[in-house]
Amino acid sequence: EIVLTQSPATLSLSPGERATLSCRASQSVSRYLAWYQQKLGQAPRLLIYDASNRATGIPARFSGSGSGTDFTLTISSLEPEDFAVYYCQQRSNWPPITFGQGTRLEIK
Amino acid sequence: EVQLVESGGGLVQPGRSLRLSCAASGFTFDDYAMHWVRQVPGKGLEWVSGINWNSGTIGYADAVKGRFTISRDNAKNSLYLQMNGLRAEDTALYYCAKGPSLDYWGQGTLVTVSS
Repeated sequence: EIVLTQSPATLSLSPGERATLSCRASQSVSRYLAWYQQKLGQAPRLLIYDASNRATGIPARFSGSGSGTDFTLTISSLEPEDFAVYYCQQRSNWPPITFGQGTRLEIK
Repeated sequence: EVQLVESGGGLVQPGRSLRLSCAASGFTFDDYAMHWVRQVPGKGLEWVSGINWNSGTIGYADAVKGRFTISRDNAKNSLYLQMNGLRAEDTALYYCAKGPSLDYWGQGTLVTVSS
């Protein structure tokens, strides 16, 4: 099973700052990596699929990059509504699918 | 508009069974793989099971293999999860999600396993 490790566990930033979240896979997942945002009491929302493609309706300040084992989600300028938990997920060899443990993005 | 509505959750004793359902609308259901993902409140996401469009590919997390069975009825636009031999550690909010990238999620149904 492919293990995804997200870092940092918690990221404290202010609105307007740039956020960089990392996801590392235990073996290559090619570009089959997605990012989700989850706010308290809500279902996860797909942000990025296949490493760098923004999902429908996702603002341009969200971008994804990487391939193989190292991936990054960048939020170029944080808005107040961006503070949430972010998960990466791989589907390169499903089944199974695996998720990272999450990064909590909190207001500094 | 894509909609996924889960149902069937509730309080159940250890060792008993429960069947979850997910009613899908707003897209061509039989074009897509579907998945179940669970989340213990306050914890991370855990993939439980997935099924491709024609039920030809099915997978389970090790934690549920041999106890849970996923199925779908394309004529009814519905996804199911039969959960047998439930354990306390199966307590979670269960989501259904659409497609290879899990691009849409329902709001979840809560399963509580307790005596």
